[in-house]
Amino acid sequence: DAKTTQPTSMDCAEGRAANLPCNHSTISGNEYVYWYRQIHSQGPQYIIHGLKNNETNEMASLIITEDRKSSTLILPHATLRDTAVYYCIVRNSGNTPLVFGKGTRLSVIA
Amino acid sequence: NAGVTQTPKFQVLKTGQSMTLQCAQDMNHEYMSWYRQDPGMGLRLIHYSVGAGITDQGEVPNGYNVSRSTTEDFPLRLLSAAPSQTSVYFCASSPEYGEQYFGPGTRLTVT
Repeated sequence: DAKTTQPTSMDCAEGRAANLPCNHSTISGNEYVYWYRQIHSQGPQYIIHGLKNNETNEMASLIITEDRKSSTLILPHATLRDTAVYYCIVRNSGNTPLVFGKGTRLSVIA
Repeated sequence: NAGVTQTPKFQVLKTGQSMTLQCAQDMNHEYMSWYRQDPGMGLRLIHYSVGAGITDQGEVPNGYNVSRSTTEDFPLRLLSAAPSQTSVYFCASSPEYGEQYFGPGTRLTVT
């Protein structure tokens, strides 16, 4: 699976959009981009995933560049409960294991 | 649905003791896996299974055994606990080609 690079930490004001970048320059054609988050010391929670088109669900939007070498997770109106570590993972669509990096620690500030 | 359940929530072991961490899911998922998370680190894969009777090693399998006799259960056995195995252990399950659901974790301390 391709490796990903994420900033170590980010801050966001409550109510503003949080934009979390991820670089995956070695991604191959059949690999998806997945996002998970981990709040405090709970188990990770699935957020969204995509292949090449932009995706949106009730939690977030995922914007993937045309060359697929990077992506951005957008939380449109961040709340204090969105404070967590966010993991960007590149993975084949099959049942291959998730490989976690260190993620981005997002702090939402009141 | 209870989702993914893990027992115990907390455990303290002495060096050399053995124990089994339990993981169960009631979603009829084929895929299950075990991860460990050390302080300040991301999760690392220990073992995984793509169905009953099939298991494979992940990134850090040494010191751990698994078996998958039923779809629902995927226990993780520590053969002879060492302080280096102090960690938080997460179990996860997923349907084929779906997102993974994680349990609440077991916090293990080995003294």
